[in-house]
Amino acid sequence: GENVEQHPSTLSVQEGDSAVIKCTYSDSASNYFPWYKQELGKGPQLIIDIRSNVGEKKDQRIAVTLNKTAKHFSLHITETQPEDSAVYFCAASITDSWGKLQFGAGTQVVVTP
Amino acid sequence: GAVVSQHPSWVICKSGTSVKIECRSLDFQATTMFWYRQFPKQSLMLMATSNEGSKATYEQGVEKDKFLINHASLTLSTLTVTSAHPEDSSFYICSARALRQGPYEQYFGPGTRLTVT
Repeated sequence: GENVEQHPSTLSVQEGDSAVIKCTYSDSASNYFPWYKQELGKGPQLIIDIRSNVGEKKDQRIAVTLNKTAKHFSLHITETQPEDSAVYFCAASITDSWGKLQFGAGTQVVVTP
Repeated sequence: GAVVSQHPSWVICKSGTSVKIECRSLDFQATTMFWYRQFPKQSLMLMATSNEGSKATYEQGVEKDKFLINHASLTLSTLTVTSAHPEDSSFYICSARALRQGPYEQYFGPGTRLTVT
């Protein structure tokens, strides 16, 4: 089955700096890669996603890149703000009729003022 | 759009009793819903996949007789933890796949904190 590895496990950045989280996946059939933000005591919130026919996608301060050959994808957050502090999860999925997600272990991001 | 609710948000029950958790898609129809559990500082672990009108499919190692899932309509799925024990204490989260948003996206509910005493 699919295995998703995520690094780093914790990331501390100064407000205004950029944060980068990297994930690798094992199943070359995976074709959908979402990123979720989870605040303490809440459910995950979809922040951006990318499909395998696209190499890069950007939404304001957030961008995701995908390298299908190397089977890795990354989340980039620019101009970080304290409200970006949360746990971020990457996931991979094969878009069959069910689309089950395989999650990475998560990255605790702390943005210090 | 694409809002998923869960009820209750937290529940405390005594060992041996059963607890039902509801998951609703509020503004879209979800033919597929998923149930996860999450322990502190860990990732989400998929428990089962639920399709409307059919039996749920459980992940390996998840007891289907202990975690009863019913997907009665396109907007409601329920998870019942039967004969709960303290080790069942966890954060339970549902998600729904929104077909009208495209065939891929999963939207998550706010989670239910279960504590078994």
